[in-house]
Order: sequence, then structure tokens, then C-alpha cells
Amino acid sequence: QQQVKQSPQSLIVQKGGISIINCAYENTAFDYFPWYQQFPGKGPALLIAIRPDVSEKKEGRFTISFNKSAKQFSLHIMDSQPGDSATYFCAANANFGNEKLTFGTGTRLTIIP
Amino acid sequence: DTAVSQTPKYLVTQMGNDKSIKCEQNLGHDTMYWYKQDSKKFLKIMFSYNNKELIINETVPNRFSPKSPDKAHLNLHINSLELGDSAVYFCASSQWEGATQYFGPGTRLTVL
Repeated sequence: QQQVKQSPQSLIVQKGGISIINCAYENTAFDYFPWYQQFPGKGPALLIAIRPDVSEKKEGRFTISFNKSAKQFSLHIMDSQPGDSATYFCAANANFGNEKLTFGTGTRLTIIP
Repeated sequence: DTAVSQTPKYLVTQMGNDKSIKCEQNLGHDTMYWYKQDSKKFLKIMFSYNNKELIINETVPNRFSPKSPDKAHLNLHINSLELGDSAVYFCASSQWEGATQYFGPGTRLTVL
């Protein structure tokens, strides 16, 4: 059972453009939504996270937008750079982050010059 | 200083063999995990241990057996390796179940 659906599977964006990755969840108990970034040959690492009490969180060029009624959240990368090329995973869990983390299927992002 | 380390980084072996992957974390975390990542980059949790006790055991063949000698170590032993076991295996740890997870560098297992 896929509780967190992520799209697209792969994404190619020109340098300087905006990269957008979307996730949708089913479990209304989810209340913590992190994004992980994985570079080739490395393990995933936490990039940015949001709780449902806010609709947006921004850290530098990375922004999470959250729509509680639609049960969707997305990652926006502004001014995308070749160094942002990586696989991105959304994730979610419940009970203020005290329960098992469920990962999305991943998006392979490529930024071209 | 490596927070979560795994050995070996690469493992090439014949079908039918038994192999182990070791994981150590020096973060003082209570929870450790094993994930399998296939060629399509799907990240699938296999096991989760909290204070040396198994708390998650997803649908994984019983050829896979995790062992946690202490809170800082979670090793993965695989019996009778099959072609389909070829993947990258990641160890991770977190302060508690659900907290931010810190991943190791991965072990690329190739079964011939």
C-alpha cells in the first residue's frame, strides 16, 4: 500500500529554472513532512521539513508548500543549479514525528546548463 | 568523523553464498534501520531496531536476519543470496522512531 505518492519519477530542468516535485498522502494522521536529498553514491540526507500548522516553509532556494485539505505537499527549488541534481524523496509520519517514516518513490532531478 | 558507517562499501558474491554487512553509528541514537534501494531508486525499509529490539520487520524473506549486539550497531546477515538481492543497502539511525534519519553511505551488493 503506497501511502505517499510522489511525482514525477524524473525531471529535467534548465539551470536557473524552477524545479517542482509533488507528493500526495492518504493518511490524515500524518503531521510531519520531510524531504530528503540523495546524491549519486551517497545516502539520503534531510533537506527541509514542514509541519501542517503552516502552509509554506522556505530555506534558501528550497520551499515546501503544503495543502492540508488536498493532502498534498510539494518541493520547489528556485534558481535550480547543476549541483541540485540528485534524487529527492518526500516522506511523512504521524504523532509529531514519533511514528515510522513513510517514503515516497523518489524523483530523479537533473539540472542542465 | 563518520556518523553512520557501513562496511563493506561494495560486495560482489556468487548466488547461494552467505554474507554480512556491518553498520555502526556514533550519534548516540536509539533507533537503527536497514533499507534496500533497487535500481529504480525505490527506498524500501526492511528492519527497524530500537534499543537493540526489533520494532519493524517488513515483508522480507527470512534469509535476511538483522542482529544488534548493542545500541550503536546493527548488522545484516543474508543467507543463500539470490540474484534479486542485488541492490544498495543503506543503514540509518535516528534519535527515536520517526525522528530525522541519518543514513550511511550504502553497500552495493551484486549477486552473480
